[in-house]
Amino acid sequence: DVKVTQSSRYLVKRTGEKVFLECVQDMDHENMFWYRQDPGLGLRLIYFSYDVKMKEKGDIPEGYSVSREKKERFSLILESASTNQTSMYLCASSRQGMKEKLFFGSGTQLSVL
Amino acid sequence: GENVEQHPSTLSVQEGDSAVIKCTYSDSASNYFPWYKQELGKRPQLIIDIRSNVGEKKDQRIAVTLNKTAKHFSLHITETQPEDSAVYFCAAITVITGNQFYFGTGTSLTVIP
Repeated sequence: DVKVTQSSRYLVKRTGEKVFLECVQDMDHENMFWYRQDPGLGLRLIYFSYDVKMKEKGDIPEGYSVSREKKERFSLILESASTNQTSMYLCASSRQGMKEKLFFGSGTQLSVL
Repeated sequence: GENVEQHPSTLSVQEGDSAVIKCTYSDSASNYFPWYKQELGKRPQLIIDIRSNVGEKKDQRIAVTLNKTAKHFSLHITETQPEDSAVYFCAAITVITGNQFYFGTGTSLTVIP
């Protein structure tokens, strides 16, 4: 069974801190995604990656960056955390191909104080 | 890019009744439409999907219909049970951007025993 693991379930940070959210998948998937989930706004794509060292902006990339140095790991970076980045962050992965389903991690609830 | 709208945002039904969730999309090039279910505190998981060359697909109590002309697709749950209570997300996949999933804003379904 595919496993997508996010390093933290809950995280509390202070405004201005640099924050790293880690995601690891164990099924050799080419595609990896970071979503943000907020009530009433659904799942919004922040960044995605189709290959190692490759990244593409999603719908809301501002204030975020990503890193994919290895195929199995996709990191989301908040360079200077702000209170409006308090949210649930979901990582997902999928095989390459048009109709491959997404496998999600359990999510990281980030609170920025 | 693709714009997916989902209605209603909340839905309450009595156990045993049917529930219908509707989504519209904007990009006529989209050809794959999955539905994800997210139970409280858990990750979203694929429950059913439909491809553009099919008008309807059924899996036990769950069915999805697609009207490509009108650019809308719907999730139908019959004989609802309390364990159907969850947030449901529809998504549309555009051909041009490959695996970039565009999600609706979600429907919170409550099945009242």
